Amino acid sequence: NAGVTQTPKFQVLKTGQSMTLQCAQDMNHEYMSWYRQDPGMGLRLIHYSVGAGITDQGEVPNGYNVSRSTTEDFPLRLLSAAPSQTSVYFCASNNGRTPGTEQYFGPGTRLTVT
Amino acid sequence: QQPVQSPQAVILREGEDAVINCSSSKALYSVHWYRQKHGEAPVFLMILLKGGEQKGHEKISASFNEKKQQSSLYLTASQLSYSGTYFCGTIYSSASKIIFGSGTRLSIRP
Repeated sequence: NAGVTQTPKFQVLKTGQSMTLQCAQDMNHEYMSWYRQDPGMGLRLIHYSVGAGITDQGEVPNGYNVSRSTTEDFPLRLLSAAPSQTSVYFCASNNGRTPGTEQYFGPGTRLTVT
Repeated sequence: QQPVQSPQAVILREGEDAVINCSSSKALYSVHWYRQKHGEAPVFLMILLKGGEQKGHEKISASFNEKKQQSSLYLTASQLSYSGTYFCGTIYSSASKIIFGSGTRLSIRP
């Protein structure tokens, strides 16, 4: 098993550009989530999904869209990048339809918006 | 609401013990603990369910005080490999999302 994979590892965007961060897992996990991590702020939940076709907002959803068309993939879309979105983005998954079991994190995507 | 972790940072010598606390203003269903090394992804340590159950793994254990809505992580006889940032994640019901605290940075000196 590859676990949770994320692409790209690094990305630089200009203000106003859009892009999609990819996340995939091969463990047949139903629950997937996206976090952003800023220095001193810990992990903040952006969006999460309890299964294909079902998504919901987390703590900081503004400026981001998600969709879940398959169990394996959970892409995060930045609609119009802003410098405040400079951060490290982690995708995570866990077994079941709730976050109540061990979460497996991807390696992260380091995004810089200039 | 984000749980509050304390202390924000702690420096230990190898072999010393440490306690990291995680407090919530809302009733908790369960608490997760994760450790993150610099430049890496968080790694799962343990989950505690309400009922005060104490779980442990080797020299790292944790407790959950339901009345105080608080969980504590205990690191005994710390090793250099324990260095990193520790995060607690709180869940308020069986169907809710996990919210993480801002972390506690642990540094172990030889």
